[in-house]
Amino acid sequence: AQSVAQPEDQVNVAEGNPLTVKCTYSVSGNPYLFWYVQYPNRGLQFLLKYITGDNLVKGSYGFEAEFNKSQTSFHLKKPSALVSDSALYFCAVRGEGLSGGYQKVTFGIGTKLQVIP
Amino acid sequence: DTGVSQDPRHKITKRGQNVTFRCDPISEHNRLYWYRQTLGQGPEFLTYFQNEAQLEKSRLLSDRFSAERPKGSFSTLEIQRTEQGDSAMYLCASSLVENEAFFGQGTRLTVV
Repeated sequence: AQSVAQPEDQVNVAEGNPLTVKCTYSVSGNPYLFWYVQYPNRGLQFLLKYITGDNLVKGSYGFEAEFNKSQTSFHLKKPSALVSDSALYFCAVRGEGLSGGYQKVTFGIGTKLQVIP
Repeated sequence: DTGVSQDPRHKITKRGQNVTFRCDPISEHNRLYWYRQTLGQGPEFLTYFQNEAQLEKSRLLSDRFSAERPKGSFSTLEIQRTEQGDSAMYLCASSLVENEAFFGQGTRLTVV
């Protein structure tokens, strides 16, 4: 069964400092990896995805994520945090679907990012 | 607004009543998903449609839950004989094949 682990319930970072939100995954075959952000009382907003190719993926709002196959990780990063980045961040994974059938997406439990002014 | 829209945004119902939620996906998206999210958890997959066909259902979707997507456009999720454990945020998402999903703002259900 596929799974996602987000080991930190909360990450605190000072405004202007770099931030990292950690994610590790387990899946059969090649992974499709995603990061979403959720603001209070809102739905999830897509940030970025890794399907294949360059291990460093760039996404919305200056975020990027690095795929590391050997460590089965897909950590979310941003060089300089903004107060407005404070939100709940979800990592998600799905399998490759070799048979062509539907492969469901499994989400982590989320990491709350608090950027301190 | 061309995003995914869900109605209602909030629903309070008494235990044992039936409720129905509606989701209008992004018009060109052929895939539609329903998820459930409880406090402190990530979204959990409930069911998936490709066009009007319901192709996958989670074991979380008990017999009291039913989803439809007539004509491959909007979708409804009905919960019969609601229980307190059904209280959650119900999220709808849509996507093109192989692309990321776009989520609606969700319907928050409270069963009292």
